[in-house]
Amino acid sequence: GENVEQHPSTLSVQEGDSAVIKCTYSDSASNYFPWYKQELGKRPQLIIDIRSNVGEKKDQRIAVTLNKTAKHFSLHITETQPEDSAVYFCAALGSSASKIIFGSGTRLSIRP
Amino acid sequence: GAVVSQHPSWVICKSGTSVKIECRSLDFQATTMFWYRQFPKQSLMLMATSNEGSKATYEQGVEKDKFLINHASLTLSTLTVTSAHPEDSSFYICSARVLVRGTDTQYFGPGTRLTVL
Repeated sequence: GENVEQHPSTLSVQEGDSAVIKCTYSDSASNYFPWYKQELGKRPQLIIDIRSNVGEKKDQRIAVTLNKTAKHFSLHITETQPEDSAVYFCAALGSSASKIIFGSGTRLSIRP
Repeated sequence: GAVVSQHPSWVICKSGTSVKIECRSLDFQATTMFWYRQFPKQSLMLMATSNEGSKATYEQGVEKDKFLINHASLTLSTLTVTSAHPEDSSFYICSARVLVRGTDTQYFGPGTRLTVL
C-alpha cells in the first residue's frame, strides 16, 4: 500500500521568511497530493493540492511542487506570518480504494 | 457546499461502555466515507473505509469487532467503539468522498474527541 514520509517533523522560521516541507510517496500510481493545515483540536483544512499531470501549483503565498519521477512533492510558504503556525500534513491518494494516506506531520512555528 | 458534520463533538464515557459517533454529509451524497483516528501530536491514521450498503473495509491492525461501522444511507456513517478502554481515547475524524468536477475529493468532519475514563 501507499506510504508517505514527511520531513521535517518540526520547523521554526522567522516571520517573513520562507518555509519548505518535503514529502515522498511510495505508490507510483498515486495521482492526487493534497496538503492540509491543522490547528489544535480542529479538523484538517485543505490548503492546496496538486494532481499528477501538473508539476507546480501556486496560490498566493503557498506553492506546491511535484516530481513524479522521484516521487517527491513539497510545500512552500513564502512571507510567513504568525497565523501560519500550525501542523501541516502532506497526503497522497492511493491507487486503490481512493484512500488518502497522510504523512506524519510538520509542526511549523513562526517566530515574531 | 460539501459540508460534513460529526456528532457528538466530544464525549466522555466509562471504561467498558460503548460509544457511537455519527458522520453526516449535509448537502451531498457519499457512497464512501472514511474513519480516521488521531492520537495527540500524531498524524491521522486511517481506520476503515465505509461503503454504503456493504461491509466496511478495515485497515491492518484495526479490530473490526471493536470498531463497528455502519453506512446505512448515502448521508450517514456511524462508528461504534465497543467496550471502550482508556487507550481508545483519541480524536476520531471522518471524511466523505465526493467527485468535484470529475475529480476525487474528500471533505473532513470536525472530529469527535473521545475520552474513556
